[in-house]
Amino acid sequence: IAGITQAPTSQILAAGRRMTLRCTQDMRHNAMYWYRQDLGLGLRLIHYSNTAGTTGKGEVPDGYSVSRANTDDFPLTLASAVPSQTSVYFCASSDGGGDTQYFGPGTRLTVL
Amino acid sequence: TQLLEQSPQFLSIQEGENLTVYCNSSSVFSSLQWYRQEPGEGPVLLVTVVTGGEVKKLKRLTFQFGDARKDSSLHITAAQPGDTGLYLCAHRYGQNFVFGPGTRLSVLP
Repeated sequence: IAGITQAPTSQILAAGRRMTLRCTQDMRHNAMYWYRQDLGLGLRLIHYSNTAGTTGKGEVPDGYSVSRANTDDFPLTLASAVPSQTSVYFCASSDGGGDTQYFGPGTRLTVL
Repeated sequence: TQLLEQSPQFLSIQEGENLTVYCNSSSVFSSLQWYRQEPGEGPVLLVTVVTGGEVKKLKRLTFQFGDARKDSSLHITAAQPGDTGLYLCAHRYGQNFVFGPGTRLSVLP
């Protein structure tokens, strides 16, 4: 069982470029999340999805969009990357009624 | 959003020492979680505490939820280099989760 996979592992991107971070889970969890992690700020929620077909905004949604076409996949798109979006991005999932979140290994993104 | 504060921010100790890290808030929580994140990996859930005053043990780690359910502590006995990592507390806020900034622990051999 793979759990949650994220791709790419790392990426260097020029400012203004479009980028999609991929996230796939094989646990059939209803809820999925995208976080960014910055030193001293902890994990901050970008967007979430409680079930396929629905999405919601988290604490820091500006400049990011998500879609949830099916249960397994939850891609995060940066339409026009800016240097302040340099961060480590984590995807997570949870069984909707439970308190446990399962995290992917992260994507390290650098925007120049 | 109910904010979580963690202290200390950084902690560097020698192998074999004991330590305690804290998670605090002005809000009351129905439950609180502790995660550990190792370098280059995502956080992994260690424990969830639910009842005020609850104490849970996981090998050398002891977790306590405050009586008023506003704070929690994690005590590590005889720390080992394998305990090195970022310790995060979190709580569920509606459908989402809110994380504290973490305590970065380094255990030196």
